[in-house]
Amino acid sequence: DQQVKQNSPSLSVQEGRISILNCDYTNSMFDYFLWYKKYPAEGPTFLISISSIKDKNEDGRFTVFLNKSAKHLSLHIVPSQPGDSAVYFCAARNFGNEKLTFGTGTRLTIIP
Amino acid sequence: DTEVTQTPKHLVMGMTNKKSLKCEQHMGHRAMYWYKQKAKKPPELMFVYSYEKLSINESVPSRFSPECPNSSLLNLHLHALQPEDSALYLCASSQMRDYEQYFGPGTRLTVT
Repeated sequence: DQQVKQNSPSLSVQEGRISILNCDYTNSMFDYFLWYKKYPAEGPTFLISISSIKDKNEDGRFTVFLNKSAKHLSLHIVPSQPGDSAVYFCAARNFGNEKLTFGTGTRLTIIP
Repeated sequence: DTEVTQTPKHLVMGMTNKKSLKCEQHMGHRAMYWYKQKAKKPPELMFVYSYEKLSINESVPSRFSPECPNSSLLNLHLHALQPEDSALYLCASSQMRDYEQYFGPGTRLTVT
């Protein structure tokens, strides 16, 4: 049972434009969400997180939006840069539970 | 400094061998994690140590044996592995149980 889903396995975006990566979840007990970026042969790198008490969190070029009623979150990257080309995982967690449940990932390719 | 280090980077072992993976962090984090990641799949949680005590074992076969000698160090002892255990093994740490996790670069394990 895939509780966190990223329905787009891949996404291509022109350099300088906005990249929007989407994530859906089914477990209503999740209350903390994270985005990770992963290059080949490296571990995931933490990007940004959001608590369920918020609907938006910004950090530089990265903004995460959370829509609790739709059980949907998205990561916006603007402007997109070639170094953003990587696989992006969203992850979710219940409060007080160390276990992160990861989505299946979206491969983002930024076209120069 | 958000660095988690893992050694070795690559490991090839036979099914009768005994080997160990090592993970280290010096960020004062009190929770440490082992994940397994197969190609084109998200990371899957194996074990969690919280304050040097095993708090989660995700029904991992006993041929994988974790050890947390101190708050900075986490080992994964391997014995009698199967070829299907070949994967990227990731270590992560977090400040407390409810904070974002920081990942190491992983150990690429091949079982022959």
